[in-house]
Amino acid sequence: EIVMTQSPATLSVSPGERATLSCRASQSVNNNIAWYQQKPGQAPRLLIYGASTRATGIPARFSGSGSGTEFTLTISSLQSEDFAVYYCQQYSKGTFGQGTKVEIK
Amino acid sequence: EVQVVGSGGGLVQPGGSLRLSCAASGFTFSSYAMSWVRQAPGKGLEWVSAISDSGGSTYYADSVKGRFTISRDNSKNTLFLQMNSLRAEDTAVYYCAKRAEYSGSYYLFDYWGQGILVTVSS
Repeated sequence: EIVMTQSPATLSVSPGERATLSCRASQSVNNNIAWYQQKPGQAPRLLIYGASTRATGIPARFSGSGSGTEFTLTISSLQSEDFAVYYCQQYSKGTFGQGTKVEIK
Repeated sequence: EVQVVGSGGGLVQPGGSLRLSCAASGFTFSSYAMSWVRQAPGKGLEWVSAISDSGGSTYYADSVKGRFTISRDNSKNTLFLQMNSLRAEDTAVYYCAKRAEYSGSYYLFDYWGQGILVTVSS
């Protein structure tokens, strides 16, 4: 079983600043990495797939990078609506990371 | 507009059964694999089960194998999850999710239902 580990658990960022979230896979996942955003009381929303491709309608301030076992989600300039929990997922088998909460500093 | 609307949750005693449903619209339901993903209170996401577009192939997480059964009725654009022998640790919000357009993987999801709360408690 592939284990996905996200860091940090919580990230405190001021509006307008950059946020960098990390995700590590326990073995290579061939770039089958997705990132989802979840706000309280809502279903997750797909942001990124293929490690770096934005899903339809996702703003350009969201970007993904990485390969092999190390992946990053970057939010270039945090907007108020971006404060949420972010999950990475390897979609070869569906395993999710434990999430990173991005909170207002 | 794509919509997936879940129903059927509630409070059930340990050892009991519950059947969840998910009604889909706005896309060709019979062309897409579907999944159930759950989230325990205050916890992360856990993939539970997937079913192929035809319903001929099904997949389960080890945590529910032998207790849960996924199925679909393509004539009614509806996905089901039959949950038997429920345990306290099955308490969660259950989401139905559509396979994404971007990949053939069963496990990448572009549309999610609103979530169905299942509480297993005596």
